[in-house]
Parts: sequence; C-alpha cells; structure tokens
Amino acid sequence: QVQLQESGPGLAKTSETLSLTCTISGGSIRSSSWSWIRQPAGKGLQWIGRMYTSGSTNYNPSLKSRVTMSVDTSKNQFSLKLSSVTAADTAIYYCARDVVMAGPSWFDPWGQGTLVTVSS
Amino acid sequence: EIVMTQSPATLSVSPGERATLSCRASQSISSNLAWYQQKPGQAPRLLIYGASTRATGVPARFTGSGSGTEFTLNISSLQSEDFAVYSCQQCHTWPRTFGQGTKVETK
Repeated sequence: QVQLQESGPGLAKTSETLSLTCTISGGSIRSSSWSWIRQPAGKGLQWIGRMYTSGSTNYNPSLKSRVTMSVDTSKNQFSLKLSSVTAADTAIYYCARDVVMAGPSWFDPWGQGTLVTVSS
Repeated sequence: EIVMTQSPATLSVSPGERATLSCRASQSISSNLAWYQQKPGQAPRLLIYGASTRATGVPARFTGSGSGTEFTLNISSLQSEDFAVYSCQQCHTWPRTFGQGTKVETK
C-alpha cells in the first residue's frame, strides 16, 4: 500500500526557510494530489497546502505568502518550503495523500511526521 | 474559514465503556466530515469519512453520525488500543480545517 515519509532538517533558524520533502512508496505520485499538514505541540492540525503533479497548487490563505510546494515526479517526491519562519512555525509536519470523492476530500494515508524546531 | 470545535477536550473512560465525542462546525458542512485517530509517534489514521463511513480496516465499534453542523463519534466498547487523540476535519470547503482534538484517556 502507499506509504509516505517526510525528511528534512529538524532545526530551522528564525527568518530563514524551512524545507521538507515527502517520499512516496508503494504507488505513483501521479495518482493523486498531495498535502502538507502541521501540528504545533498541544494544538490542532493545520492544513498548509496541496499540490497536483501538474504543478497546480492551493495554499492556506494564512500561510500563502510564505509557502511554496513543488513536485519531482521522477523521484516520486514532493516538497515544502516555508519562508521567514518564526517560533510559531515550530511543529510536527506531516505529508498526506488527498482522497477526493466528487468534491469533498480527506487525507489518507499520512506520513509519520517530522518535528521541525525554529530557533535563533 | 470554517471553525471546527471539539468537545470535551479530554474524556476519561474505563476500558469496555462507551465513549462519545462531539464535533461542531461553524457553518453547515453537509456530511463532509472526517475523523482521525492520533497516537504519539504514529501517523494519524483515517477512521471515518462522509460523516459515517468507516475507512478500510476500522472496527465496527467506531460509529460516526451527524450532518450540518453537529457530528458525533461513538466508540461502543473501548479497547486498550483506542486510547488516543481523535480529531475531526471538515471536507467541505478550502482551506480544510480541523478541530483541536479530544484526548480519550483511561479512567
């Protein structure tokens, strides 16, 4: 079955750019759209954005000015860049597959998540 | 954006007992709601979509109900592996939004 694995630095410096990659195994990245979701400690989940393998993207308006997502179909990977990070961006970051059913969509499966800490 | 509110924040239940979790949307989302289970160090797991459809492999003791703005997740007889955090997510509009989660702990 499809499995996802996040990778990237666990530490980012304040005002710099956080970069993460999600590698998909057991299936093709072309089969779906893909999302990034994060969860600060003790808080709820926040959807960051999604992308299609065509390159089309949708971002959360609250993060849109700082988010860039990209895809590398040859490696079955997609990536997240979040610029100008602050301590408020410290969170567990998850990647997930979008499951779309005639409009509504949910997330399944998810990666294990990776903790990114922002510090000066 | 649609705000999702879950209650209670923490639910203390004895094994074998029933647990009832609530999720409220700030506006109508029809039946476009999903539930997830989260355990520390593990990937979130999809339990329910379409408010009441169990995902593949989810035991029948998990039941989702509701429509519009009020939704419920029932766990009929809690097993040891069910103690976890449960989050709801509206699948109706973008951006997708989640509730703050309900922690189900052992009483």
